[in-house]
Amino acid sequence: GDSVTQMEGPVTLSEEAFLTINCTYTATGYPSLFWYVQYPGEGLQLLLKATKADDKGSNKGFEATYRKETTSFHLEKGSVQVSDSAVYFCALTSTGTASKLTFGTGTRLQVTL
Amino acid sequence: NAGVTQTPKFQVLKTGQSMTLQCAQDMNHNSMYWYRQDPGMGLRLIYYSASEGTTDKGEVPNGYNVSRLNKREFSLRLESAAPSQTSVYFCASRKPAEPQHFGDGTRLSIL
Repeated sequence: GDSVTQMEGPVTLSEEAFLTINCTYTATGYPSLFWYVQYPGEGLQLLLKATKADDKGSNKGFEATYRKETTSFHLEKGSVQVSDSAVYFCALTSTGTASKLTFGTGTRLQVTL
Repeated sequence: NAGVTQTPKFQVLKTGQSMTLQCAQDMNHNSMYWYRQDPGMGLRLIYYSASEGTTDKGEVPNGYNVSRLNKREFSLRLESAAPSQTSVYFCASRKPAEPQHFGDGTRLSIL
């Protein structure tokens, strides 16, 4: 079945540091890939997405590139801010699965001054 | 624009009590979903409704039932709550070819 593997957290960075959160996946066919963010006490918000190989999703300074050859969708940001502190979830939907999302376990990011 | 609204936001139950979690969306989405979120396990799909009048089991349906009351509303029922059902529950909805939109969650504790 489909699965998503994320690096375990928490990840603690100083403000303005470079961020990478690794995500790899296993899926049949050609999945769409997503990063969701969850701020404390809130639901999940879509951060970015990519629907085919070599697509780059980007939003709010975050980027991720759909790499089919390595089955990866790593999240990056060049300079993190304290306000980026949240839990980040990598997820996928496979073709023919009624658009059900399969989530990774989440990575908590804490950014300090 | 309210998006996806879940009620209640918090609830404490005793083992064996029943409870219905409500979810409503005002975006005219066809598909709706219920997830539970547990520490270290991400979100797991309980039930989903691809369209009004249909419901299907997800990854962890045991102990739950759902009702797609109309296009807007999708409720989740615990008939006899158990401590293992202590979790944060999220409802989501979507329209074709678009990502899912999530509510703010219901935090449920079962003693």
